[in-house]
Amino acid sequence: EAGVAQSPRYKIIEKRQSVAFWCNPISGHATLYWYQQILGQGPKLLIQFQNNGVVDDSQLPKDRFSAERLKGVDSTLKIQPAKLEDSAVYLCASSSRGYEKLFFGSGTQLSVL
Amino acid sequence: SQQGEEDPQALSIQEGENATMNCSYKTSINNLQWYRQNSGRGLVHLILIRSNEREKHSGRLRVTLDTSKKSSSLLITASRAADTASYFCATVTYLTSGTYKYIFGTGTRLKVLA
Repeated sequence: EAGVAQSPRYKIIEKRQSVAFWCNPISGHATLYWYQQILGQGPKLLIQFQNNGVVDDSQLPKDRFSAERLKGVDSTLKIQPAKLEDSAVYLCASSSRGYEKLFFGSGTQLSVL
Repeated sequence: SQQGEEDPQALSIQEGENATMNCSYKTSINNLQWYRQNSGRGLVHLILIRSNEREKHSGRLRVTLDTSKKSSSLLITASRAADTASYFCATVTYLTSGTYKYIFGTGTRLKVLA
């Protein structure tokens, strides 16, 4: 069974630029999560999808962050414009009704200079 | 927001010793889970304990849960150098949408010296 795929693995941009991250969850997993993990901290939930609907985006800074999961499969997280404090690892995770646990991708490490 | 506060923040032990890390949380939960993260990688699920359980074992892992104190502990026995990683607790609540919300703690960085 293929795991959660994320790309790119690393990204370096300058502040005020835009960036997008892509996630393809495990096949059949209806729930998809995006987490932000700042160095030395635990993952912080940004947004949670159930199929293509948003379940929780209360922690998403909507003035600069956006996310979509148009066909209920893969998802894109975008930051526009980026700030220095957005430097972090962005983790995607998925789950399904049959599992009470999360499956994580390897993450995208973002550096904003 | 982060639900769980973990301590210690960092722990360094010798191979063969036991490692204990603790997690405290604030609100009601359906279950609590522990995850492991190797440097530069995603998190991997280790063990789940339900709110009506007090103790769970899996191999060298032992988890306890005290819902009255809103706290949990993870014990790794006979540690190995390969156990070096960060460990996170996650509190899990069931949502009306039929999904679960996972909120992670601050993590404990474990270093096992050979």
